[in-house]
Amino acid sequence: DAGITQSPRHKVTETGTPVTLRCHQTENHRYMYWYRQDPGHGLRLIHYSYGVKDTDKGEVSDGYSVSRSKTEDFLLTLESATSSQTSVYFCAISESPSGTTRVYNEQFFGPGTRLTVL
Amino acid sequence: GQNIDQPTEMTATEGAIVQINCTYQTSGFNGLFWYQQHAGEAPTFLSYNVLDGLEEKGRFSSFLSRSKGYIYLLLKELQMKDSASYLCALDSNYQLIWGAGTKLIIKP
Repeated sequence: DAGITQSPRHKVTETGTPVTLRCHQTENHRYMYWYRQDPGHGLRLIHYSYGVKDTDKGEVSDGYSVSRSKTEDFLLTLESATSSQTSVYFCAISESPSGTTRVYNEQFFGPGTRLTVL
Repeated sequence: GQNIDQPTEMTATEGAIVQINCTYQTSGFNGLFWYQQHAGEAPTFLSYNVLDGLEEKGRFSSFLSRSKGYIYLLLKELQMKDSASYLCALDSNYQLIWGAGTKLIIKP
């Protein structure tokens, strides 16, 4: 299994509070991704990183920010949590970006963080 | 847009064969992934198709037809442990575009 951990694994917070989720990898993969997963929607990309201090927005980035100061860590911050951000959050890593070579570059997923915003 | 459609839920019998279809409405992609996700767990890689045709991996096979806009996952000799959600994803432009997943229920 790829060495990916997420912390915390579960969190309950109140509307309006800031929340930071951490993804840590030991694989030295360049690309890291944050997704949220909700019933009926599948996985939706929030932000991704293609190197230290290099990040870009995904499909559902509003209300979220990210930072990557080291290869191994990718942080997701909810500046002011809302109930619509209640979800399961997955971090993923890959050696190369998707869709750029004829050889697939699968994404490896962390165990997920279940976030509840009351 | 890049719409991906899969059935929400399917039921099959232990020992049988089941085919899970995934259709898409785009031509701009490198290939397609199938991932398996057990309840409460992370998705894990099953297969990848870039060329038309069949990719076989043990009891699981995946078939891609770009001209017809679909890929399917075929699971043979179903076991109870195959009860899971199966996620189809387009490999495109630095991102994976995911379908909502098909929950497969296996009955004895």
